[in-house]
Amino acid sequence: EDQVTQSPEALRLQEGESSSLNCSYTVSGLRGLFWYRQDPGKGPEFLFTLYSAGEEKEKERLKATLTKKESFLHITAPKPEDSATYLCAVQLNSGGYQKVTFGTGTKLQVIP
Amino acid sequence: GAGVSQSPRYKVAKRGQDVALRCDPISGHVSLFWYQQALGQGPEFLTYFQNEAQLDKSGLPSDRFFAERPEGSVSTLKIQRTQQEDSAVYLCASSRDRGSGETQYFGPGTRLLVL
Repeated sequence: EDQVTQSPEALRLQEGESSSLNCSYTVSGLRGLFWYRQDPGKGPEFLFTLYSAGEEKEKERLKATLTKKESFLHITAPKPEDSATYLCAVQLNSGGYQKVTFGTGTKLQVIP
Repeated sequence: GAGVSQSPRYKVAKRGQDVALRCDPISGHVSLFWYQQALGQGPEFLTYFQNEAQLDKSGLPSDRFFAERPEGSVSTLKIQRTQQEDSAVYLCASSRDRGSGETQYFGPGTRLLVL
C-alpha cells in the first residue's frame, strides 16, 4: 500500500533556529511530490512541486529537496509567521489523472 | 485572479439531515477534487472530476455521499442522512489539467459539524 509519512508530528523552534521537516514515501510510479502550508481554518497553500531525485527548490526561508525515498523541507532562520502545518503529498499516475496522497503533516511553531 | 471558493464556510447539521456543500473552482480548470480532512490529519481523497465526468469516486465513505459537476465548473458534494462521524472539514481543489505535475489549488474548506 502506498504510504506517506511525515516527521516529526510537531516541532517547536526558537526564532532563527534552522531545522528540517521530513517526508518519506513508499509509492511506485511517483509523478511528483508537493509541499503545502496550511494555516488554522484555511485550505492548504501550495509551496513547491518536485519531480525527480536530486531536485531542489527554494522560496524565501524554505528549501525543498527530493531523494528516491524522501523529501526534506529545510527552514532557515524561521520567523513566527512561518508557524503553520506543513503537508507533504505524493502524486501518482492513476487512471490517467494525478491522484494525490497526503501525509498527516508537521505542525511547526516558531517562538519569538 | 480569483481562487477556489467554497460555501458555506461553516455548517452545523442535526444528525439525519441532508447537507450540500458547494465548490467554485478556478475558471477554466479541468480537474476538480474533493477531500475530507479530520482534525489533525492530512486531507483524504474523496472523488475526482474531469470536466463534468466523475472519473473516480473510490474515496467516498458510503453511499450517503454524492458529488456532481453537471456543467464542468461548479461542483456540489451532498451528504444524505448525516452522521456524527461525517464531522470534518471538506476541501475542494482544482487543477488546470489532468497531467502529471499539475498543481492542485485548494479552497478554504467547509467545516461541517454534525450534532
